[in-house]
Amino acid sequence: GAGVSQSPSNKVTEKGKDVELRCDPISGHTALYWYRQSLGQGLEFLIYFQGNSAPDKSGLPSDRFSAERTGGSVSTLTIQRTQQEDSAVYLCASSLGLAGGHYEQYFGPGTRLTVT
Amino acid sequence: RKEVEQDPGPFNVPEGATVAFNCTYSNSASQSFFWYRQDCRKEPKLLMSVYSSGNEDGRFTAQLNRASQYISLLIRDSKLSDSATYLCVVKEGGGSYIPTFGRGTSLIVHP
Repeated sequence: GAGVSQSPSNKVTEKGKDVELRCDPISGHTALYWYRQSLGQGLEFLIYFQGNSAPDKSGLPSDRFSAERTGGSVSTLTIQRTQQEDSAVYLCASSLGLAGGHYEQYFGPGTRLTVT
Repeated sequence: RKEVEQDPGPFNVPEGATVAFNCTYSNSASQSFFWYRQDCRKEPKLLMSVYSSGNEDGRFTAQLNRASQYISLLIRDSKLSDSATYLCVVKEGGGSYIPTFGRGTSLIVHP
């Protein structure tokens, strides 16, 4: 079946511009996560959506970062006034997200963002 | 602060070797444990979940030691295709849905 998809796969932008990254989770998965991974580094949690609950934004590094999830499905991560330190691979993952469940995450291929 | 620690390696082993990785976690409330595999410039993919009783999937065996707060991954009869970074993932139970990822252990299997 279809996995998690992300677009664009690569994005080069100039410092100061805004960018939008998109994630289509696996159908039926209620939980959606955004992470970023810098070269040679581990995954850094950014934000988490679960059903219709308020998102957990505790990982967002600054107020330049925001995310939405419309209709409990597609999510968009927006970075305003991009900085060079925002350059990273942005990964989206989805999971069943059942309460108390021992569930795994499925990752999309990521968006490689380069800020020049 | 919740932490998941892994030896970054790299572990450089010949084909056919047996190799083991450990991962320690600091949060005793952790209830779900996973090993993911990440190939270079690719997304992480689930390798296996780790159950309290330990579990095996072909050449891969995962174990959990709650008392010492670590999980392990054993790979037998290493293949060239096993070369990757192995990520340890730990998640609290109850109302927490945010997993904590280790920074990964790099494995290089050579001919």
